[in-house]
Amino acid sequence: AQKVTQAQTEISVVEKEDVTLDCVYETRDTTYYLFWYKQPPSGELVFLIRRNSFDEQNEISGRYSWNFQKSTSSFNFTITASQVVDSAVYFCALNGQNNAGNMLTFGGGTRLMVKP
Amino acid sequence: EPEVTQTPSHQVTQMGQEVILRCVPISNHLYFYWYRQILGQKVEFLVSFYNNEISEKSEIFDDQFSVERPDGSNFTLKIRSTKLEDSAMYFCASSPRTGSYRGQPQHFGDGTRLSIL
Repeated sequence: AQKVTQAQTEISVVEKEDVTLDCVYETRDTTYYLFWYKQPPSGELVFLIRRNSFDEQNEISGRYSWNFQKSTSSFNFTITASQVVDSAVYFCALNGQNNAGNMLTFGGGTRLMVKP
Repeated sequence: EPEVTQTPSHQVTQMGQEVILRCVPISNHLYFYWYRQILGQKVEFLVSFYNNEISEKSEIFDDQFSVERPDGSNFTLKIRSTKLEDSAMYFCASSPRTGSYRGQPQHFGDGTRLSIL
């Protein structure tokens, strides 16, 4: 069984603050993939990043960075110098190698509100 | 950039009626999916589809649900006799099959909001 937990249901920050969204996962698979998706108020799901279980290097893309730590089963997402446009619900998701159908297991999401 | 397109954006249906949600996946993608999101809740997997058959389905995907790829471009989700609890946002997604398909990012459409009265 797979499980993704996003303990922070809602975070509120003021523009330009840094914010970290936590994601903890459970899987018995030795090979797996982790994802982050953004759901803005308009409702669509936007793919942000994929990470496989063999690659623990942190990744940075502009103001976004991701910290994958296999030892703690965590894949946290940091937004630096947040902006109002970052306001959205962010979902962490997991795909294990033994999923015949490549299904994604999503966490409950973290609603980020960035205030001007 | 290629997109997954879903129609309609909003569907209102009487309980007990059949509904068909339509999706056009990205053209060179070979894996197709349906997910649903009840308002304010997490996104839940319904079914995945490859090579004209279901690869995997969740417990939610019972006999009331079916999927079909009627032609080379469309992918549909049918709910035979809708219930109030089927009210949700339904997302279609697709992913490519290049090398290992596992872990390929799934690209989502904008969703169809289904409201059952």
